[in-house]
Amino acid sequence: AQKVTQAQTEISVVEKEDVTLDCVYETRDTTYYLFWYKQPPSGELVFLIRRNSFDEQNEISGRYSWNFQKSTSSFNFTITASQVVDSAVYFCALSGVMNTGFQKLVFGTGTRLLVSP
Amino acid sequence: DAGITQSPRYKITETGRQVTLMCHQTWSHSYMFWYRQDLGHGLRLIYYSAAADITDKGEVPDGYVVSRSKTENFPLTLESATRSQTSVYFCASSGTGEQFFGPGTRLTVL
Repeated sequence: AQKVTQAQTEISVVEKEDVTLDCVYETRDTTYYLFWYKQPPSGELVFLIRRNSFDEQNEISGRYSWNFQKSTSSFNFTITASQVVDSAVYFCALSGVMNTGFQKLVFGTGTRLLVSP
Repeated sequence: DAGITQSPRYKITETGRQVTLMCHQTWSHSYMFWYRQDLGHGLRLIYYSAAADITDKGEVPDGYVVSRSKTENFPLTLESATRSQTSVYFCASSGTGEQFFGPGTRLTVL
């Protein structure tokens, strides 16, 4: 069975601090995808990144970066120089890949990030 | 406008009533999904559909019914609502890549 663990329920930081959100996953699949979604206070779910299991390169997008390590089954998300607008709940998710290309997501329970001015 | 929409955005109903939540997407995505979001559980998959007239159960299907007669629509029906079905419901769609989510429907069952 697939499982995603986000052990940090809530993190509070002050603006401009760097913050890392942890994500640990379990799967028996050799091919899988990992995702991060952001849910701001307005409630919508915003896709941030998708990474396949064969690509362990770290990715950087502006202030966001992701560290994928298969050896530790982790896909951590770092926000550099956090801003108040980063306040949200962040979900890590995992999916296997069926031969039809379909991906069924399994979500972690989310980490609430509070960035104060 | 292109995208994925849900209606209603807010709904209050009573125990035992039938409720239908609507989901519409304009991307012609093959796959559509219904999730519920509850504190401490993240998002859990209720039902999904790979194409019109093809649906399958997810993690928490009990008490829900879905249909998909058209590619763009994927309604979710609570046949006899219970208080435990008070939740925020998200519809999503995808081609073969990431899932895109609707704005959610907040359902309260009294």
